[in-house]
Amino acid sequence: DADVTQTPRNRITKTGKRIMLECSQTKGHDRMYWYRQDPGLGLRLIYYSFDVKDINKGEISDGYSVSRQAQAKFSLSLESAIPNQTALYFCATSDPTQQGNEQFFGPGTRLTVL
Amino acid sequence: AQSVTQPDIHITVSEGASLELRCNYSYGATPYLFWYVQSPGQGLQLLLKYFSGDTLVQGIKGFEAEFKRSQSSFNLRKPSVHWSDAAEYFCAVGAPRAGNMLTFGGGTRLMVKP
Repeated sequence: DADVTQTPRNRITKTGKRIMLECSQTKGHDRMYWYRQDPGLGLRLIYYSFDVKDINKGEISDGYSVSRQAQAKFSLSLESAIPNQTALYFCATSDPTQQGNEQFFGPGTRLTVL
Repeated sequence: AQSVTQPDIHITVSEGASLELRCNYSYGATPYLFWYVQSPGQGLQLLLKYFSGDTLVQGIKGFEAEFKRSQSSFNLRKPSVHWSDAAEYFCAVGAPRAGNMLTFGGGTRLMVKP
Protein backbone atom coordinates (compact mmCIF):
# COMPACT_ATOMS: atom_id res chain seq x y z
CA ASP A 1 0.00 0.00 0.00
CA ALA A 2 1.13 3.55 -0.76
CA ASP A 3 2.48 5.54 2.18
CA VAL A 4 0.79 8.79 1.12
CA THR A 5 -2.59 8.60 -0.57
CA GLN A 6 -4.78 11.29 -2.05
CA THR A 7 -8.45 11.25 -2.94
CA PRO A 8 -9.87 11.87 -5.42
CA ARG A 9 -7.21 11.41 -8.11
CA ASN A 10 -9.16 13.46 -10.62
CA ARG A 11 -11.99 15.93 -10.17
CA ILE A 12 -13.88 18.20 -12.50
CA THR A 13 -16.08 20.82 -10.91
CA LYS A 14 -17.78 24.11 -11.69
CA THR A 15 -17.01 27.63 -10.63
CA GLY A 16 -18.39 28.43 -7.18
CA LYS A 17 -18.53 24.85 -5.93
CA ARG A 18 -16.92 23.77 -2.67
CA ILE A 19 -14.29 21.08 -3.09
CA MET A 20 -12.34 19.03 -0.57
CA LEU A 21 -9.16 17.13 -1.38
CA GLU A 22 -8.05 14.54 1.13
CA CYS A 23 -4.65 13.22 2.08
CA SER A 24 -3.81 10.29 4.30
CA GLN A 25 -0.43 8.90 5.34
CA THR A 26 0.81 5.79 7.05
CA LYS A 27 4.37 6.98 7.53
CA GLY A 28 3.77 8.32 11.03
CA HIS A 29 5.16 11.72 10.08
CA ASP A 30 4.18 14.81 12.02
CA ARG A 31 4.61 17.28 9.18
CA MET A 32 2.22 17.47 6.24
CA TYR A 33 2.05 19.85 3.28
CA TRP A 34 -0.20 20.86 0.41
CA TYR A 35 1.30 22.09 -2.87
CA ARG A 36 -0.07 23.00 -6.23
CA GLN A 37 1.80 22.43 -9.47
CA ASP A 38 1.36 24.63 -12.51
CA PRO A 39 3.34 24.31 -15.75
CA GLY A 40 6.60 26.25 -15.54
CA LEU A 41 6.06 27.24 -11.92
CA GLY A 42 7.07 24.03 -10.20
CA LEU A 43 5.43 23.28 -6.87
CA ARG A 44 4.20 26.10 -4.69
CA LEU A 45 3.30 25.66 -1.04
CA ILE A 46 -0.32 26.31 -0.08
CA TYR A 47 -0.45 25.25 3.58
CA TYR A 48 1.63 23.18 5.93
CA SER A 49 1.13 21.60 9.33
CA PHE A 50 3.85 20.71 11.80
CA ASP A 51 1.43 18.78 14.00
CA VAL A 52 -2.30 18.49 14.62
CA LYS A 53 -2.46 21.84 16.42
CA ASP A 54 -0.04 23.75 14.22
CA ILE A 55 -1.22 24.93 10.80
CA ASN A 56 0.52 27.58 8.75
CA LYS A 57 -0.09 29.46 5.54
CA GLY A 58 2.28 28.94 2.69
CA GLU A 59 3.15 31.05 -0.30
CA ILE A 60 -0.28 30.92 -1.99
CA SER A 61 -2.97 30.28 0.65
CA ASP A 62 -5.63 32.72 -0.59
CA GLY A 63 -8.78 30.87 -1.64
CA TYR A 64 -7.82 27.72 0.26
CA SER A 65 -8.33 26.34 3.74
CA VAL A 66 -7.09 23.20 5.47
CA SER A 67 -7.99 20.88 8.28
CA ARG A 68 -5.65 18.51 10.15
CA GLN A 69 -8.09 15.95 11.49
CA ALA A 70 -5.43 13.64 12.89
CA GLN A 71 -1.72 13.04 12.55
CA ALA A 72 -2.45 10.93 9.50
CA LYS A 73 -5.00 13.15 7.74
CA PHE A 74 -4.72 16.58 6.17
CA SER A 75 -7.49 17.97 3.97
CA LEU A 76 -7.46 20.90 1.58
CA SER A 77 -10.66 22.81 0.80
CA LEU A 78 -11.56 25.24 -1.90
CA GLU A 79 -14.56 27.10 -0.49
CA SER A 80 -15.64 28.54 -3.82
CA ALA A 81 -13.63 27.14 -6.69
CA ILE A 82 -12.50 29.38 -9.54
CA PRO A 83 -10.95 28.44 -12.89
CA ASN A 84 -7.44 29.60 -11.99
CA GLN A 85 -7.40 26.97 -9.27
CA THR A 86 -7.23 24.37 -12.02
CA ALA A 87 -3.96 22.58 -11.23
CA LEU A 88 -2.31 19.42 -10.01
CA TYR A 89 -2.34 19.25 -6.22
CA PHE A 90 0.15 17.29 -4.16
CA CYS A 91 0.19 16.30 -0.52
CA ALA A 92 3.52 15.56 1.14
CA THR A 93 4.80 14.45 4.52
CA SER A 94 8.10 14.66 6.35
CA ASP A 95 9.80 13.70 9.56
CA PRO A 96 11.69 16.71 10.92
CA THR A 97 13.92 14.51 13.06
CA GLN A 98 15.51 13.19 9.88
CA GLN A 99 18.33 15.25 8.44
CA GLY A 100 17.22 17.47 5.61
CA ASN A 101 13.49 17.04 6.24
CA GLU A 102 13.05 15.00 3.05
CA GLN A 103 9.47 15.13 1.85
CA PHE A 104 7.43 12.18 0.59
CA PHE A 105 4.73 12.87 -1.95
CA GLY A 106 1.34 11.45 -2.76
CA PRO A 107 0.29 10.67 -6.35
CA GLY A 108 -1.48 13.99 -6.85
CA THR A 109 -5.03 15.14 -7.53
CA ARG A 110 -5.78 16.72 -10.87
CA LEU A 111 -8.47 19.37 -10.37
CA THR A 112 -10.27 21.11 -13.21
CA VAL A 113 -12.56 24.04 -12.48
CA LEU A 114 -14.86 24.95 -15.35
CA ALA B 1 14.49 33.52 1.44
CA GLN B 2 15.86 30.79 -0.74
CA SER B 3 15.12 30.42 -4.43
CA VAL B 4 15.79 27.87 -7.15
CA THR B 5 16.19 28.32 -10.89
CA GLN B 6 16.07 25.60 -13.50
CA PRO B 7 17.06 27.45 -16.66
CA ASP B 8 15.93 24.79 -19.12
CA ILE B 9 12.18 24.28 -19.40
CA HIS B 10 12.47 21.54 -22.01
CA ILE B 11 15.37 19.32 -23.02
CA THR B 12 15.41 16.67 -25.72
CA VAL B 13 18.17 14.08 -25.90
CA SER B 14 18.67 10.92 -27.90
CA GLU B 15 18.51 7.59 -26.15
CA GLY B 16 22.00 6.59 -25.06
CA ALA B 17 23.28 10.17 -24.97
CA SER B 18 24.49 11.86 -21.81
CA LEU B 19 22.31 14.25 -19.86
CA GLU B 20 22.87 17.26 -17.66
CA LEU B 21 20.03 19.21 -16.08
CA ARG B 22 20.94 22.52 -14.54
CA CYS B 23 19.90 23.84 -11.14
CA ASN B 24 21.01 27.08 -9.51
CA TYR B 25 19.99 28.16 -6.05
CA SER B 26 20.15 31.20 -3.86
CA TYR B 27 20.61 30.76 -0.12
CA GLY B 28 22.84 32.43 2.42
CA ALA B 29 24.38 29.25 3.78
CA THR B 30 24.82 25.65 2.75
CA PRO B 31 21.37 24.37 1.86
CA TYR B 32 19.93 20.92 1.64
CA LEU B 33 19.51 20.03 -2.04
CA PHE B 34 17.20 17.55 -3.71
CA TRP B 35 16.30 16.27 -7.15
CA TYR B 36 12.86 14.77 -7.67
CA VAL B 37 11.42 13.12 -10.78
CA GLN B 38 7.79 13.12 -11.82
CA SER B 39 6.80 10.52 -14.39
CA PRO B 40 3.53 11.06 -16.28
CA GLY B 41 0.56 10.54 -13.99
CA GLN B 42 2.79 9.91 -11.00
CA GLY B 43 3.79 11.74 -7.88
CA LEU B 44 7.28 12.98 -7.14
CA GLN B 45 10.01 10.46 -6.46
CA LEU B 46 13.28 11.41 -4.83
CA LEU B 47 16.29 10.78 -7.07
CA LEU B 48 19.02 12.00 -4.75
CA LYS B 49 19.86 14.47 -2.01
CA TYR B 50 22.79 16.43 -0.65
CA PHE B 51 23.17 17.46 2.96
CA SER B 52 26.91 17.66 3.56
CA GLY B 53 30.17 15.88 2.88
CA ASP B 54 31.14 14.54 -0.54
CA THR B 55 29.90 17.00 -3.13
CA LEU B 56 29.24 14.29 -5.72
CA VAL B 57 26.15 12.30 -4.75
CA GLN B 58 24.81 9.17 -6.32
CA GLY B 59 21.13 8.51 -6.67
CA ILE B 60 18.72 5.96 -8.02
CA LYS B 61 18.33 4.99 -11.67
CA GLY B 62 21.96 5.83 -12.46
CA PHE B 63 21.68 9.56 -11.73
CA GLU B 64 24.28 11.66 -9.96
CA ALA B 65 24.56 15.32 -9.01
CA GLU B 66 27.39 17.58 -7.99
CA PHE B 67 27.15 20.38 -5.47
CA LYS B 68 29.33 23.34 -6.46
CA ARG B 69 29.29 25.96 -3.77
CA SER B 70 31.23 28.52 -5.82
CA GLN B 71 28.63 28.35 -8.58
CA SER B 72 25.57 27.85 -6.33
CA SER B 73 24.68 24.91 -8.50
CA PHE B 74 23.50 21.34 -8.12
CA ASN B 75 23.35 19.90 -11.62
CA LEU B 76 21.91 16.47 -12.32
CA ARG B 77 23.72 14.11 -14.68
CA LYS B 78 23.33 10.72 -16.26
CA PRO B 79 25.89 9.19 -18.62
CA SER B 80 23.43 7.31 -20.83
CA VAL B 81 19.75 8.17 -21.01
CA HIS B 82 17.06 5.52 -21.40
CA TRP B 83 13.63 6.10 -22.95
CA SER B 84 12.07 5.50 -19.52
CA ASP B 85 13.86 8.60 -18.20
CA ALA B 86 11.41 10.83 -20.06
CA ALA B 87 9.75 12.79 -17.24
CA GLU B 88 9.77 16.12 -15.48
CA TYR B 89 12.60 16.82 -13.09
CA PHE B 90 12.47 19.20 -10.16
CA CYS B 91 15.32 20.64 -8.16
CA ALA B 92 14.52 21.75 -4.61
CA VAL B 93 16.41 23.55 -1.89
CA GLY B 94 15.78 23.17 1.81
CA ALA B 95 16.71 25.90 4.24
CA PRO B 96 18.22 24.59 7.47
CA ARG B 97 17.70 27.99 9.09
CA ALA B 98 14.00 28.09 8.20
CA GLY B 99 12.59 24.82 9.40
CA ASN B 100 13.99 23.02 6.37
CA MET B 101 11.08 24.16 4.23
CA LEU B 102 11.55 23.25 0.58
CA THR B 103 11.50 25.62 -2.36
CA PHE B 104 11.14 24.07 -5.80
CA GLY B 105 12.42 25.11 -9.17
CA GLY B 106 10.06 25.40 -12.12
CA GLY B 107 11.00 22.00 -13.47
CA THR B 108 12.68 20.67 -16.62
CA ARG B 109 10.74 18.39 -18.93
CA LEU B 110 12.97 15.76 -20.51
CA MET B 111 12.05 14.13 -23.79
CA VAL B 112 14.03 11.17 -25.11
CA LYS B 113 14.31 10.49 -28.84
CA PRO B 114 14.67 6.89 -29.98
